[in-house]
Amino acid sequence: AQSVAQPEDQVNVAEGNPLTVKCTYSVSGNPYLFWYVQYPNRGLQFLLKYITGDNLVKGSYGFEAEFNKSQTSFHLKKPSALVSDSALYFCAVRDDNTDKLIFGTGTRLQVFP
Amino acid sequence: NAGVMQNPRHLVRRRGQEARLRCSPMKGHSHVYWYRQLPEEGLKFMVYLQKENIIDESGMPKERFSAEFPKEGPSILRIQQVVRGDSAAYFCASSTGGETAYEQYFGPGTRLTVT
Repeated sequence: AQSVAQPEDQVNVAEGNPLTVKCTYSVSGNPYLFWYVQYPNRGLQFLLKYITGDNLVKGSYGFEAEFNKSQTSFHLKKPSALVSDSALYFCAVRDDNTDKLIFGTGTRLQVFP
Repeated sequence: NAGVMQNPRHLVRRRGQEARLRCSPMKGHSHVYWYRQLPEEGLKFMVYLQKENIIDESGMPKERFSAEFPKEGPSILRIQQVVRGDSAAYFCASSTGGETAYEQYFGPGTRLTVT
């Protein structure tokens, strides 16, 4: 069965520093991977996806993610963090048999000024 | 092009009452998904519907919960005889469906509070 793991409940980073939010996955077939962001009392906003192709995927708001097949990872990155990036970030994988998304438990990103 | 719409945004029900949550997908989207987010937890899949069909309801509790997506009108998630444990944020997402429709677009959610 497909699953994703986000090993960090919270990530703290100073504004202007690079950030990484970790995600590892387990799939039986081709991995379809996603990152979403959730701001307080809001729905989820799509950031980026990996379906096939280049291992480095660029998304919204300057975020990117690196697909690493050997490490089964799909870490979210940004070269220079902003205070406004503070939010809850979810990694997800699409189920092989249906279209449903299986989410990780989320990582709270806190960017300090 | 309006996004996914959900109403109400907030819903308060007493134990034993019924809750009806509505979701209108994005224009052109015929696939609807419902997810539940308990406090301080991630999202859990509940049900996946296409027009007039339930495709996957593996995440739905066996009792009190039902969902529909009629030919006309919004998708409805119905919770009968609510209990305090049903308090959560319920999110609807939509997509165009099919092999190349990967992204799901989420609505703002309905926050259900059971008193």
